[in-house]
Amino acid sequence: DPKIIQKPKYLVAVTGSEKILICEQYLGHNAMYWYRQSAKKPLEFMFSYSYQKLMDNQTASSRFQPQSSKKNHLDLQITALKPDDSATYFCASSHPNERLFFGHGTKLSVL
Amino acid sequence: QEKVQQSPESLIVPEGAMVSLNCSFSDSASQSIWWYQQHPGKGPKALISIFSNGNKKEGRLTVYLNRASLHVSLHIKDSQPSDSAVYLCAVSMATGGNNKLTFGQGTVLSVIP
Repeated sequence: DPKIIQKPKYLVAVTGSEKILICEQYLGHNAMYWYRQSAKKPLEFMFSYSYQKLMDNQTASSRFQPQSSKKNHLDLQITALKPDDSATYFCASSHPNERLFFGHGTKLSVL
Repeated sequence: QEKVQQSPESLIVPEGAMVSLNCSFSDSASQSIWWYQQHPGKGPKALISIFSNGNKKEGRLTVYLNRASLHVSLHIKDSQPSDSAVYLCAVSMATGGNNKLTFGQGTVLSVIP
């Protein structure tokens, strides 16, 4: 029974389009994160939220916008998609300063 | 910016062997060091962490940290085929409850029955 739900599991998009990646967690955590894992790079921190407020942003592009409509939701909107955005995007959550729990990821392919 | 380097890139061992994985990091101000396990098509799963110099043991896992040399190692005793996975070293720069991790590129472990 997964405690962090990511939707969809696989996503194919065309260059220039916009997509939203969904993340919900049922672990009662107040901190949520997005990480990206590309084929040739280590798992990379993107954003962190605490109590629905942005704490840290390491993405260089404004095309990536996290959205938190509820305490246990942190979606990721990506606009003007590029082939380089192809990666697996992982949502994670944690209690403050404790281990991160990761979802199974959304694998995005941009054609 | 924190840099995390892992070695070896891959490792093949027979079942029952002791496995040793290495990780070096660049920032002495880093806080906890974490080891995560990732199976294909899954998200990483936290295994063990260490903050203070020395070692920490949990079950078949032992982790050693030397802050002076900026080095941490993970040892898996009596390895099993189910231990086959990618092992990720991650350095935490937790501030104000924000647990931001910098990951290494991983070590691919294969345990042969």
